[in-house]
Amino acid sequence: DSGVTQTPKHLITATGQRVTLRCSPRSGDLSVYWYQQSLDQGLQFLIQYYNGEERAKGNILERFSAQQFPDLHSELNLSSLELGDSALYFCASSQQGGTAYGYTFGSGTRLTVV
Amino acid sequence: GDSVTQMEGPVTLSEEAFLTINCTYTATGYPSLFWYVQYPGEGLQLLLKATKADDKGSNKGFEATYRKETTSFHLEKGSVQVSDSAVYFCALSSGGSNYKLTFGKGTLLTVNP
Repeated sequence: DSGVTQTPKHLITATGQRVTLRCSPRSGDLSVYWYQQSLDQGLQFLIQYYNGEERAKGNILERFSAQQFPDLHSELNLSSLELGDSALYFCASSQQGGTAYGYTFGSGTRLTVV
Repeated sequence: GDSVTQMEGPVTLSEEAFLTINCTYTATGYPSLFWYVQYPGEGLQLLLKATKADDKGSNKGFEATYRKETTSFHLEKGSVQVSDSAVYFCALSSGGSNYKLTFGKGTLLTVNP
């Protein structure tokens, strides 16, 4: 157990729908990062939050949004889902705002859009 | 921008064979370098890291040396085990308060008994 908890582990939904993925960071970690892993794109950075505030955005679609709550858990919202959104979505956390020392990953949420 | 190139897989070895997975990078400044491992059905785990030139990261028999002159961070293990079968990712962070890790595409390693 890495200490980073992601729910649900698996999600199957239809095109056009909206889903919410949840991440609880490791105790004491202030930063949360979201990544998308697909066979063709590899690991793509989506967005980072630090202590409740958005710090950086990567290749995140406008249909996707995220937030970090006062208790530091984070949610990634995916809307108007398309078949191509099917992927593994990972959350990671770190103590500091930067990644000079790496960070800890959760076990991921596998999203299947049908 | 930052990028990481690692050798294409899959790599198939017999138990106790020597492993090398090549990784080269392009980055601004002085990045920190990492190897992550992903076992089937799991998230990524930090395997080892190096934060400055000539540093050697090591863990569980794996080693990698930060070579600034060749912009490389090759992963090696002297004697692989079946339990080492996984996907290995090389990654970099450009340091300071940089917000993300940039990953290579991953190399699938299969070790046969």
